[in-house]
Amino acid sequence: DVKVTQSSRYLVKRTGEKVFLECVQDMDHENMFWYRQDPGLGLRLIYFSYDVKMKEKGDIPEGYSVSREKKERFSLILESASTNQTSMYLCASSLMGTGGLNEKLFFGSGTQLSVL
Amino acid sequence: AQTVTQSQPEMSVQEAETVTLSCTYDTSENNYYLFWYKQPPSRQMILVIRQEAYKQQNATENRFSVNFQKAAKSFSLKISDSQLGDTAMYFCALLRNQGGKLIFGQGTELSVKP
Repeated sequence: DVKVTQSSRYLVKRTGEKVFLECVQDMDHENMFWYRQDPGLGLRLIYFSYDVKMKEKGDIPEGYSVSREKKERFSLILESASTNQTSMYLCASSLMGTGGLNEKLFFGSGTQLSVL
Repeated sequence: AQTVTQSQPEMSVQEAETVTLSCTYDTSENNYYLFWYKQPPSRQMILVIRQEAYKQQNATENRFSVNFQKAAKSFSLKISDSQLGDTAMYFCALLRNQGGKLIFGQGTELSVKP
């Protein structure tokens, strides 16, 4: 089975801190995604990557950056954490080019980030 | 712009009964795919069912089925013989084309009561 691992289940940070959220997948997937999940808003796409060193903005990239130096690892970076970034962060991966019904996303278990 | 709307933030159903979760969407594409995901308290997202827009036949997976109305841009999920393990947050999602960029709805929290 595909495994997508997020480094922390819960994280508490202070306003202004630089925060790294790490995600690793073990199935050689090209596509990787970062979503944030908020009550009443569902999942919103922050950034995604189709290949190593490649990144594209999603719907809400402001205040975030990403890094993909290796195929299996996709990091989300909060340069200066703010209280409005308190949220659940979900990482996902999928295989490139399968398309359509085979375009299945595999999710990590999420990181609940609290910024105080 | 593509959007997915779930207008029912919370629903409840008695065990063994049937419940329907609503989802509407908007896209200008003709070829797309629709999904329902389940997120139990463990937070692990699980794919429940998926539908190709060009197929008129509604998808079914055991106790789960969809009512896909393309003209109305509606994609509801029906859960038959509800079980306690069905208690979860359910998300409707739209995939426009290859690349895996899923657009999610706001979610519906379903409680199955014994």
